[in-house]
Order: sequence, then structure tokens, then C-alpha cells
Amino acid sequence: DTGVSQDPRHKITKRGQNVTFRCDPISEHNRLYWYRQTLGQGPEFLTYFQNEAQLEKSRLLSDRFSAERPKGSFSTLEIQRTEQGDSAMYLCASSLETESPLHFGNGTRLTVT
Amino acid sequence: GQNIDQPTEMTATEGAIVQINCTYQTSGFNGLFWYQQHAGEAPTFLSYNVLDGLEEKGRFSSFLSRSKGYSYLLLKELQMKDSASYLCAVRVRGGSYIPTFGRGTSLIVHP
Repeated sequence: DTGVSQDPRHKITKRGQNVTFRCDPISEHNRLYWYRQTLGQGPEFLTYFQNEAQLEKSRLLSDRFSAERPKGSFSTLEIQRTEQGDSAMYLCASSLETESPLHFGNGTRLTVT
Repeated sequence: GQNIDQPTEMTATEGAIVQINCTYQTSGFNGLFWYQQHAGEAPTFLSYNVLDGLEEKGRFSSFLSRSKGYSYLLLKELQMKDSASYLCAVRVRGGSYIPTFGRGTSLIVHP
């Protein structure tokens, strides 16, 4: 069990640029979640995959955000035309079953200048 | 949706006991998690309650009352390393059972 890994750890980008983050979940976990967290707040749900199927998306997720999990293993989260309000920690988590706890990665900290 | 409420900040003394409360309003309750998060790090799982009562794990215990929509996390024999944010998360039945997090309680342990 190597844990959930995310890449990169930090990303600084200029407003209007596109960014892509990667998440590698724990290998036997078929459930994968993306959350966003800003300072002083709890994680806010963005989207959820079961295997390769994207089953839920938050209503807060604008159409500039897209996520994929093409083979049911790693996942990518892309933000197009970044805005300063996108600056946050993007957390990926995975779990084995519905009732299992989520295991989080260390996150990707995005700063949009 | 779910409404989850936790105190924003608490302080306590090393060696003492502290209780962090979490109240929630939701329908279709299906479990409550507590996570610990140190600054700049990932949340780490502490406990899970789905039935009423107390779950004990070493220095940490978690309590749930479903009828009151209430949980608490009890930390005993506080250590400096317990200074962190403590997140309460609620899961409901239906859909994909995705946990919704509260804003977290920042605990500061001082000597």
C-alpha cells in the first residue's frame, strides 16, 4: 500500500492558462474522489469516479473543469482558462468500498497569478 | 444537502482532555467520519461512526447520537503534535454516498 499520490505538489500558473493534475489512487481502490480545499475550510467535493465511470459531479464544478479516469486506475483533473478564484489545494482520495473511509493524497496546491 | 457545524478554533493544554463537537442536519444519515489534518498535509482518517455510541481508539474516541444529529471527538492526554485541524464529515444514503465535510476545527495545544 503506497498510498494515494498526486502530482505535481505545487503548481503556479498565470490566469488564463490550462493546468492538469494527476492522481494515482491506492491500487485496489475502485472509488476515486476529487475535492478542493481553501484556507480555513473543509474539503469541498468536486467529482467522483467508480472505476472509469464518472458518477457524480458537484453543481459547483464549472465547465472549465474536466476529469477523467480512462482505465479505472489513475485520474486527471484539468482546469481550462484558470482564474484567480481557482487557487486552492486540490485533493484526491480513494476508497475500497462505499462504507470505507477515504484515503487522501497530499494534494496539489494551485496558485493562479 | 447537509449542514455541518463545528467550532472554528479551540485551544487546550498539553496533557489535558479536549472535546470537539460536530452537529449536522441531514436526511438519510449513513455515517460520520473524523479526520485529522496538519497544516499543508492530507487529511488522515481517525474514526467512523454509523451507530449510536462511543468508539474508542487509543487516546482518541468518537461519539455519535443520530437522534440529536451530534457527534464529538474526544482527545485525551493531549500532545503538542495533536495541534491540527479536525474535520467532521457526514455521508448520506442515496447517490454515491459521498462524504460532505464541515469546515474543520483548528486545535491549538500549548505547553
